[in-house]
Amino acid sequence: KQEVTQIPAALSVPEGENLVLNCSFTDSAIYNLQWFRQDPGKGLTSLLLIQSSQREQTSGRLNASLDKSSGRSTLYIAASQPGDSATYLCAVGPDPQGGKLIFGQGTELSVKP
Amino acid sequence: GAGVSQSPSNKVTEKGKDVELRCDPISGHTALYWYRQSLGQGLEFLIYFQGNSAPDKSGLPSDRFSAERTGGSVSTLTIQRTQQEDSAVYLCASRTGTHQETQYFGPGTRLLVL
Repeated sequence: KQEVTQIPAALSVPEGENLVLNCSFTDSAIYNLQWFRQDPGKGLTSLLLIQSSQREQTSGRLNASLDKSSGRSTLYIAASQPGDSATYLCAVGPDPQGGKLIFGQGTELSVKP
Repeated sequence: GAGVSQSPSNKVTEKGKDVELRCDPISGHTALYWYRQSLGQGLEFLIYFQGNSAPDKSGLPSDRFSAERTGGSVSTLTIQRTQQEDSAVYLCASRTGTHQETQYFGPGTRLLVL
């Protein structure tokens, strides 16, 4: 059974710092991995989607990497801002036809001004 | 264009009552998903519809839970004889038919069973 773990569960940093969020998964047979952001009381917003054949994706200050063989992904946030404060969720897609996602428990990020 | 919408946004019900939660996916999206997010359990998959194919119901926690999708668009998640442990946020997502694309999530329905 696929299990997704995110470390740390919570993180507080001062504004301007670069930071890394970690995600690990137990079964390397995945077809994609996604990072989402969730603001309090809101739904999820997709940040980055990495296909299994890719090693990384970048969007603005965000960079996500994927190492399937070791079952790990990282989300790098450069020059963090208070607006980055949210919960970040990692999810793996085990189904090539685009079925369910399996989520980690999330990392709650707080960026202090 | 409009995103995924869900109604109601909040629902309070008494134990034993039935509830219906509605999801309106993005127009033209053929795939629709229901997830549940509760404290301590994280985000769990419930059910997945893709076009005219039989739905993947593997995540439904009990036979009190059911879902249908009418006309390939709107979906309704029904919980019969609600229990307190059903209290959670129920999230709906939709996606285009291209399985390489992301899922777009609605704001969720917050269900509280008293």
